[in-house]
Amino acid sequence: EDKVVQSPLSLVVHEGDTVTLNCSYEVTNFRSLLWYKQEKKAPTFLFMLTSSGIEKKSGRLSSILDKKELFSILNITATQTGDSAIYLCAEALYGQNFVFGPGTRLSVLP
Amino acid sequence: SAVISQKPSRDICQRGTSLTIQCQVDSQVTMMFWYRQQPGQSLTLIATANQGSEATYESGFVIDKFPISRPNLTFSTLTVSNMSPEDSSIYLCSVEGTGERDGYGYTFGSGTRLTVV
Repeated sequence: EDKVVQSPLSLVVHEGDTVTLNCSYEVTNFRSLLWYKQEKKAPTFLFMLTSSGIEKKSGRLSSILDKKELFSILNITATQTGDSAIYLCAEALYGQNFVFGPGTRLSVLP
Repeated sequence: SAVISQKPSRDICQRGTSLTIQCQVDSQVTMMFWYRQQPGQSLTLIATANQGSEATYESGFVIDKFPISRPNLTFSTLTVSNMSPEDSSIYLCSVEGTGERDGYGYTFGSGTRLTVV
């Protein structure tokens, strides 16, 4: 089964900082790469990436995929305490299977 | 995108007992997925539930421990049987996203936080 690796596993920053979260994956049966934010229990969908080099943006969050190097990054600019969460990266495979990474635990201090 | 109601939200159970978790979707979906997230860990797929057929379990998960029902296209249950403290986890149901925004992403239920004592 494909493996998804995220780094860093945890990160502590102060409000206003910019953070970059990393996700690398294997490519046996790649369909898309997804990012989720998990604050309490249920992950909430952030981005789905299928094409290399096309940045997806939502407010202060943005993400991009590099299918040649098999990685994706999630950027958060001007972080706020409400951004504190676990950020999960998941690889969607053909056959409707998803493989989740271990997550990056982000803590934003006031 | 689909909206999923999951209950209970949390429970504390005695070891050796069983707990059934329910998920209700506001639209008909072909497949529903059940995940487990142990403390400090990422999400692990338990099984895929299709209506009208037996669930498909991932390696390491068996029907006797995690029986699943899927009586119709909007509802599913997961039972955690003969519980031990190692079953303490968050359990999540999900369906494949159908909205233009979700694409092939998952929509998750609100989760059930299970503690076994």
